Amino acid sequence: KNQVEQSPQSLIILEGKNCTLQCNYTVSPFSNLRWYKQDTGRGPVSLTIMTFSENTKSNGRYTATLDADTKQSSLHITASQLSDSASYICVVSEAGNNRKLIWGLGTSLAVNP
Amino acid sequence: ETGVTQSPTHLIKTRGQQVTLRCSSQSGHNTVSWYQQALGQGPQFIFQYYREEENGRGNFPPRFSGLQFPNYSSELNVNALELDDSALYLCASSFRQGGGSNYGYTFGSGTRLTVV
Repeated sequence: KNQVEQSPQSLIILEGKNCTLQCNYTVSPFSNLRWYKQDTGRGPVSLTIMTFSENTKSNGRYTATLDADTKQSSLHITASQLSDSASYICVVSEAGNNRKLIWGLGTSLAVNP
Repeated sequence: ETGVTQSPTHLIKTRGQQVTLRCSSQSGHNTVSWYQQALGQGPQFIFQYYREEENGRGNFPPRFSGLQFPNYSSELNVNALELDDSALYLCASSFRQGGGSNYGYTFGSGTRLTVV
């Protein structure tokens, strides 16, 4: 069964600190992996999208990594801000059928002053 | 700003009623997908519309139906509402070229439906 698992489930950090969120997947065949940020009650906003051949992609203070061999991805947030408080969701697409996105349950991040 | 607009933002309905949710897609996009997101869960795929036809469906009963219009906007209709239908309903537009895959998923802010 294709699955996407994220860890930790929740995380609390102080403003200005860095953090790393993990995503492990068993989706096969693999097409791409996306990280979304979702504020409570709002739709997800795309942070990064990576294909099989991409190892690292950055978007401002967000840096995503992908190891397609071990089927692991991470999202690193640098110099966290209060506005980073949100859920971060890892989403994996199956190859050949991109309309099927398999979602992780997300990591709930709280950045405290 | 996402470019995908959903309406209404919040809605309260009684069990057994019918509801219609609306979504306008981002300019240049031709495909619309609908998702149901229960509290604390990831979004579950309901269905996708491409060229005004349903083009894939998740594990949802027939009382969940949809439409796509020539301007690529879309509606999600749910009949005979049940308490478990309470959720955030998300619409995402994307671009699909011919028989290829979709890219550029952009989500709306969602409609929060509460069934009482």
